[in-house]
Amino acid sequence: DAGVIQSPRHEVTEMGQEVTLRCKPISGHDYLFWYRQTMMRGLELLIYFNNNVPIDDSGMPEDRFSAKMPNASFSTLKIQPSEPRDSAVYFCASSFGGSNQPQHFGDGTRLSIL
Amino acid sequence: SQQGEEDPQALSIQEGENATMNCSYKTSINNLQWYRQNSGRGLVHLILIRSNEREKHSGRLRVTLDTSKKSSSLLITASRAADTASYFCATDAIAAGNKLTFGGGTRVLVKP
Repeated sequence: DAGVIQSPRHEVTEMGQEVTLRCKPISGHDYLFWYRQTMMRGLELLIYFNNNVPIDDSGMPEDRFSAKMPNASFSTLKIQPSEPRDSAVYFCASSFGGSNQPQHFGDGTRLSIL
Repeated sequence: SQQGEEDPQALSIQEGENATMNCSYKTSINNLQWYRQNSGRGLVHLILIRSNEREKHSGRLRVTLDTSKKSSSLLITASRAADTASYFCATDAIAAGNKLTFGGGTRVLVKP
């Protein structure tokens, strides 16, 4: 079975541009998570969904970040406008049965904002 | 500071040796999980131990949990070069609304 699929794998863009990251969770999983990983701050939870509904977005850094899950098989994380400090690896993960159950991670999107 | 913190931050061993890393946390948990991350890849779930369990095994992995000391350890026996990765503990703290909080990780280098 396919795991969590993220696209693009790498994104380099200039400051001020809109960035959209995409995620396809594992089929049948009812939880989806967006994380950001940096050397300085480690792995941070940004937002998570249950059955396509956002449950906790307290980790979203500011209004420039938004996330949607229009259906059970697709989610996006958007940054508009992007800033150099947004440079990080962004991971999507999914799980079944609870936000505290084992999570399956995609291979991430490495984002560089110049 | 983070709920889960790993120790040591980095570990270098020879192939065949055992690797032990520890995770300490601050508040009561429902469960604790260990993950592995290879360079350039996403995290992979290794093992989950519940708060009422003291020890779990999975292949060459052994995890212990001491809730009185708020600590857990991950032991990798007979290490292989392929075990080279970063290892993270993740806690499901009751006070954190059942969300996982990841520690900073232990970087393990297994030299052939």
